[in-house]
Amino acid sequence: EPEVTQTPSHQVTQMGQEVILRCVPISNHLYFYWYRQILGQKVEFLVSFYNNEISEKSEIFDDQFSVERPDGSNFTLKIRSTKLEDSAMYFCASSESRGGSGEQYFGPGTRLTVT
Amino acid sequence: KQEVTQIPAALSVPEGENLVLNCSFTDSAIYNLQWFRQDPGKGLTSLLLIQSSQREQTSGRLNASLDKSSGRSTLYIAASQPGDSATYLCAVNLQGGSEKLVFGKGTKLTVNP
Repeated sequence: EPEVTQTPSHQVTQMGQEVILRCVPISNHLYFYWYRQILGQKVEFLVSFYNNEISEKSEIFDDQFSVERPDGSNFTLKIRSTKLEDSAMYFCASSESRGGSGEQYFGPGTRLTVT
Repeated sequence: KQEVTQIPAALSVPEGENLVLNCSFTDSAIYNLQWFRQDPGKGLTSLLLIQSSQREQTSGRLNASLDKSSGRSTLYIAASQPGDSATYLCAVNLQGGSEKLVFGKGTKLTVNP
């Protein structure tokens, strides 16, 4: 069964460093998302991406963050100058469609630890 | 602003029991509602999606219902097993051009052998 994959599974970085989290969405999906979950808190939406551009972003997704689909398979989240409060589990998701039938499928996540 | 609440926060039941998890949301203008399962330190596994025009969906021992007008959904698990132990999350997809899912905090289920 097709699935969303993410690498790395765990990333440790020092405050102020840049990190790139990678995702391979399900191959025939057109809509891509990043969410994050700080330990003990709700899963929060960061950004959605369609047709090679951001379609929606949350207040969390400030200039520190960027997303890119560098080729036909990968979808990346870049965090510039990481802060301690960026420590969280980051989930990539994809869906074939949007609206009522737009079921989102999630990857296993990347645990980001900023020290 | 859409708020999603799940009650109870934690539930412990003996194996074989039937149980119901609850989810409520404040804005009924939704496209759909998804139920997910999350194992500790792991990703989210989609269990069921109910579109706003539907009343329920079934998959194996799971049955999810949706009452959009009252802002409620339930996930019914029949004949629970220890392998069902996990955190169950519900999330709503808003109408009005948004694609994001708004999540509840989840119900942590423990099924005791």
